[in-house]
Amino acid sequence: DTEVTQTPKHLVMGMTNKKSLKCEQHMGHRAMYWYKQKAKKPPELMFVYSYEKLSINESVPSRFSPECPNSSLLNLHLHALQPEDSALYLCASSQYLATRNTIYFGEGSWLTVV
Amino acid sequence: AQKVTQAQTEISVVEKEDVTLDCVYETRDTTYYLFWYKQPPSGELVFLIRRNSFDEQNEISGRYSWNFQKSTSSFNFTITASQVVDSAVYFCALSEYTANAGGTSYGKLTFGQGTILTVHP
Repeated sequence: DTEVTQTPKHLVMGMTNKKSLKCEQHMGHRAMYWYKQKAKKPPELMFVYSYEKLSINESVPSRFSPECPNSSLLNLHLHALQPEDSALYLCASSQYLATRNTIYFGEGSWLTVV
Repeated sequence: AQKVTQAQTEISVVEKEDVTLDCVYETRDTTYYLFWYKQPPSGELVFLIRRNSFDEQNEISGRYSWNFQKSTSSFNFTITASQVVDSAVYFCALSEYTANAGGTSYGKLTFGQGTILTVHP
């Protein structure tokens, strides 16, 4: 079983809605990630937090707003999304931000924007 | 720039057949890490193996085995006696140090395009 848990599993939202995706890990990892995955494509990195500070933003539109309330939690706030933002959103964590550290993924949140 | 190529887009086999998934990578670094992940239809990316660039020993874990050949920049994955539960998308990935415009260095994971494996009963 994955040690990175994401909620909700499925989310349908309108373009004017505000919603949030939530992620939690209890492995004591200090790096947490958001990835976006479109159908039949590999995951693409969106954001990276290290020690609860935003370290990497891969030029993600401001309608996606990440938040790291503490070392175990990671949120992704969604506002004014477009239908093309429909995708699988994967949360992940690793011990640190290092090449040798394995990144462990959650089950993902399937987002549909209507 | 790093790059990972999984030339096989889709593979279809019958249960109990052996199947090999190919992965070729490009990197300028001498220190890097290679990974394989499995993604079943549920969506979760399941970590299978990590290999560093200095360890060319092949590895076997049950029905899974990995062949790392630095000379050909390949890290191939073989499933022996495939089962229906092996049906999934398999991603090969490469991690090497990357510095972003803000000067932050981190291990960025670059994925191949994935290979869809279907095992028929």
